[in-house]
Amino acid sequence: GAVVSQHPSWVICKSGTSVKIECRSLDFQATTMFWYRQFPKQSLMLMATSNEGSKATYEQGVEKDKFLINHASLTLSTLTVTSAHPEDSSFYICSARDPEGWENIQYFGAGTRLSVL
Amino acid sequence: DAKTTQPNSMESNEEEPVHLPCNHSTISGTDYIHWYRQLPSQGPEYVIHGLTSNVNNRMASLAIAEDRKSSTLILHRATLRDAAVYYCIVANFGNEKLTFGTGTRLTIIP
Repeated sequence: GAVVSQHPSWVICKSGTSVKIECRSLDFQATTMFWYRQFPKQSLMLMATSNEGSKATYEQGVEKDKFLINHASLTLSTLTVTSAHPEDSSFYICSARDPEGWENIQYFGAGTRLSVL
Repeated sequence: DAKTTQPNSMESNEEEPVHLPCNHSTISGTDYIHWYRQLPSQGPEYVIHGLTSNVNNRMASLAIAEDRKSSTLILHRATLRDAAVYYCIVANFGNEKLTFGTGTRLTIIP
């Protein structure tokens, strides 16, 4: 089955620093990837849609300059949380769209838990 | 995309079948029904999807009502590893996005 790898799985950083999270599709090419955020006891909220070779499309209310998304290849998308603050602490999850079908199946990474001190 | 309604939580005994219901009364003809599950501290995992007919795969079965206004995810023999939050999502085939609701938290009792 399709495998999506996300790295790191857990990161702690100081307030004001930037953190990069990588999302890789290991056994398929993903033209479209997605980034979600999940706060404790809540559901997943879509942050942005990332298309290879073009700018990401952000959901309403998500700051483009704070959450930088790059999808430079068909197997890698990155999310950089710039100048992170404690309120950015969350569980960040990426997914990749199945390129084979048109039912929009997504395969998810294991998630990255970000703690900003 | 159509809104879905699921029970907040359910319990089931280990090795028993589990039926997880989902209502989607505003579903349209081109909407697919997707089920994902999220184990603790993990990203979601695709379970199954369907359009009109019942579907089976190695993980589960999906039973879709004739009027498509509801569906049921069936785990044939629950194990402790099936304890997770199960999300029912209805999405139009032309829409890439998945909108996650609150899902059903399934607890498996040993």
